[in-house]
Amino acid sequence: GAGVSQSPSNKVTEKGKDVELRCDPISGHTALYWYRQSLGQGLEFLIYFQGNSAPDKSGLPSDRFSAERTGGSVSTLTIQRTQQEDSAVYLCASSSSRGGGKTQYFGPGTRLLVL
Amino acid sequence: ILNVEQSPQSLHVQEGDSTNFTCSFPSSNFYALHWYRWETAKSPEALFVMTLNGDEKKKGRISATLNTKEGYSYLYIKGSQPEDSATYLCAFILGSNAGNMLTFGGGTRLMVKP
Repeated sequence: GAGVSQSPSNKVTEKGKDVELRCDPISGHTALYWYRQSLGQGLEFLIYFQGNSAPDKSGLPSDRFSAERTGGSVSTLTIQRTQQEDSAVYLCASSSSRGGGKTQYFGPGTRLLVL
Repeated sequence: ILNVEQSPQSLHVQEGDSTNFTCSFPSSNFYALHWYRWETAKSPEALFVMTLNGDEKKKGRISATLNTKEGYSYLYIKGSQPEDSATYLCAFILGSNAGNMLTFGGGTRLMVKP
């Protein structure tokens, strides 16, 4: 079946512009996560959605970052007034439930470059 | 702040060599440890999810062990092949973490020379 998909695969933007990154999770997966890997850094957690519950935003680095998940499926990560330090690979993952023993399936990522 | 460490950071081996990497994590409040394989420009691929002390998992030539009491996991690759070249990531889940989000180590980058 179809895996997690993300779009765009690459995005180049100018400092100060807003960007939207999209994630389509595996159908039926209730948990959705956003992570990012900045240059020279490890993967870090950004935000987590589980079903209809309020999202866990504890990993968002600033209030310029926001995300929503419509209808419990597609998610959009929005970065307002982008800065050069926002340049990173943004990865989305989904899993069939919240359990720690559940595999998180990752998409191919969006490579964001802020000039 | 959770500290998940992986060593070595990078490794060059010859085709046919066997190799292993280490992931160390907090030994208290353990919930699960995940291993992923990440090739450039591809999605990270799940290898193993380990939850019990003493767990040993195997997938083809790759295997992993888990020691939750001392806070480490080993990943072994037997008879490395060029297609094994990738970054291998471990990720820890804290027991009190309601969302089960992953805290990643920095990864071990493996390069297998033909």
